[in-house]
Amino acid sequence: RKEVEQDPGPFNVPEGATVAFNCTYSNSASQSFFWYRQDCRKEPKLLMSVYSSGNEDGRFTAQLNRASQYISLLIRDSKLSDSATYLCVVTRGGSNYKLTFGKGTLLTVNP
Amino acid sequence: GAVVSQHPSRVICKSGTSVKIECRSLDFQATTMFWYRQFPKQSLMLMATSNEGSKATYEQGVEKDKFLINHASLTLSTLTVTSAHPEDSSFYICSARRTSGGADTGELFFGEGSRLTVL
Repeated sequence: RKEVEQDPGPFNVPEGATVAFNCTYSNSASQSFFWYRQDCRKEPKLLMSVYSSGNEDGRFTAQLNRASQYISLLIRDSKLSDSATYLCVVTRGGSNYKLTFGKGTLLTVNP
Repeated sequence: GAVVSQHPSRVICKSGTSVKIECRSLDFQATTMFWYRQFPKQSLMLMATSNEGSKATYEQGVEKDKFLINHASLTLSTLTVTSAHPEDSSFYICSARRTSGGADTGELFFGEGSRLTVL
């Protein structure tokens, strides 16, 4: 089983739609979780951290389920500018710090 | 916000030559930097973890003699692709983990990436 697995894409949705991405991780020792956004041929940029209690930032909601070892990202009222690849990132801390990226899910929001 | 500068952004070289890519954290110290490569329509693949003042830790399958990493200071890590071949053509991205000052959120700050084309 891969360390981090994401929904296979691509997702094509109309403007205004709600779309959700899931990401599962295999290592129960994972400590921190993030969603990054990557535009074509650009570097990834942090979208939001994912906290155990769940967190919201405008139209974006991230959730973490440690028992089932998955994180999710919900985008409400999607905009054309939300079109990008969304990467989930899982980190392990301590002296053996390591981070692992999911393969990414491509989202295209259509007018 | 924190800034990571990567240079050069684009390089074209002949097969057999070596190419050095620099990654600098401009306004924070980074004891740990990471190097990735990304093929078209693929995710980032971690190549190695660069630790200031010590040897880099390479991921399985990444040749350490091929991809030389040096992290000589708290703000600079370099990746040298030695004797580059066309199959080394890729997008190389560095990131830095801010650990000095403030809280360590685990957030990574990425360089803009370097597109290497080996002819």
